[in-house]
Amino acid sequence: GQNIDQPTEMTATEGAIVQINCTYQTSGFNGLFWYQQHAGEAPTFLSYNVLDGLEEKGRFSSFLSRSKGYSYLLLKELQMKDSASYLCAAMDSNYQLIWGAGTKLIIKP
Amino acid sequence: GAVVSQHPSWVICKSGTSVKIECRSLDFQATTMFWYRQFPKQSLMLMATSNEGSKATYEQGVEKDKFLINHASLTLSTLTVTSAHPEDSSFYICSAREGEGSYEQYFGPGTRLTVT
Repeated sequence: GQNIDQPTEMTATEGAIVQINCTYQTSGFNGLFWYQQHAGEAPTFLSYNVLDGLEEKGRFSSFLSRSKGYSYLLLKELQMKDSASYLCAAMDSNYQLIWGAGTKLIIKP
Repeated sequence: GAVVSQHPSWVICKSGTSVKIECRSLDFQATTMFWYRQFPKQSLMLMATSNEGSKATYEQGVEKDKFLINHASLTLSTLTVTSAHPEDSSFYICSAREGEGSYEQYFGPGTRLTVT
């Protein structure tokens, strides 16, 4: 079956770094997405990885290892506005997104 | 670019009535649109996938006669919740994809439905 696993909740301190992990199992693979979702709002796109390695985009970086079925989202210099849910989604061979349950990130001052 | 709108953004209706939600791609042609439902503190649940001009493909457990989806043009898809009940109260989100092989889905802002 198809499955995405990510932690339910994480807590970090303002200004610090946090890494949110995601493991996936899909029928075929066409890339791994990370989305940010604030409460009551729709998800917004953060990153897309289809090749192994690290993609850096400002304070956010995303890593993919296809052989391990593993990805992580790295957030640096955390700000209070980064408090949100972070959704990991893998795209299968039919270009359909398989969603994780999301990781709620709580930032403390 | 790649903006998706939804209307209405929130709606309250009485039990037994029907509600229509529109999803529009404003600056691109969406060959495929997706409808999701999200309950509080849960992740997105895909309800159905619709391709322009053809019938929607519903996910297991989603009643096609209750959730009517119409993708009549390359820029518009509608979801009609028929005979709504309080348990249908949820956050409904649409997303759109540009074409075959296009990987990114662009999300609408969502519609919060409350059935009283």
